[in-house]
Amino acid sequence: GAGVSQSPSNKVTEKGKDVELRCDPISGHTALYWYRQSLGQGLEFLIYFQGNSAPDKSGLPSDRFSAERTGGSVSTLTIQRTQQEDSAVYLCASSFLAGAREQFFGPGTRLTVL
Amino acid sequence: KQEVTQIPAALSVPEGENLVLNCSFTDSAIYNLQWFRQDPGKGLTSLLLIQSSQREQTSGRLNASLDKSSGRSTLYIAASQPGDSATYLCAVKVGNDMRFGAGTRLTVKP
Repeated sequence: GAGVSQSPSNKVTEKGKDVELRCDPISGHTALYWYRQSLGQGLEFLIYFQGNSAPDKSGLPSDRFSAERTGGSVSTLTIQRTQQEDSAVYLCASSFLAGAREQFFGPGTRLTVL
Repeated sequence: KQEVTQIPAALSVPEGENLVLNCSFTDSAIYNLQWFRQDPGKGLTSLLLIQSSQREQTSGRLNASLDKSSGRSTLYIAASQPGDSATYLCAVKVGNDMRFGAGTRLTVKP
């Protein structure tokens, strides 16, 4: 597609449930990033994928968070046993290669954990 | 650890004014600096990207400068319009990570 797409746009779940968030990067972009934007916390890096290399998971806040990228394209961010503090907007970005390349962001998924 | 600060946190100006948004960062070892715009409830729109070797970038009414040695960047908006109202975020690329400032919320009054 023309830009980065994310689904769903909104997700409301109950505490303790698992959720999956999806990101479709720009076609041909090899680098994919997940960020979280929380009220009062700003934007924080979660995880980075580049091609077939092992992902950089240094930003994941706990082992309840995991992400996959299948076939070097679509990525899924999974949050297990959701907690109220997981409520945030989850943003995905992609870039052509990595390093100093410009990142393009998707519209985000707003997650609310009740 | 890289810290990114944006001043002011909020700014309200009348239409037509020129304005400057400030961004500072603590570690000069960056790949690049990127300015974004975020409208309420929306994702981020990239405005300008300055590589670490560059001093400034221009796009239309926007001009961004980078002084890596002092850890500062400015975003200059000329002849502001109500449609410029949004939150402006600066971010620096450090390794695989991008560190964001908290943003400046700009309101341009007609």
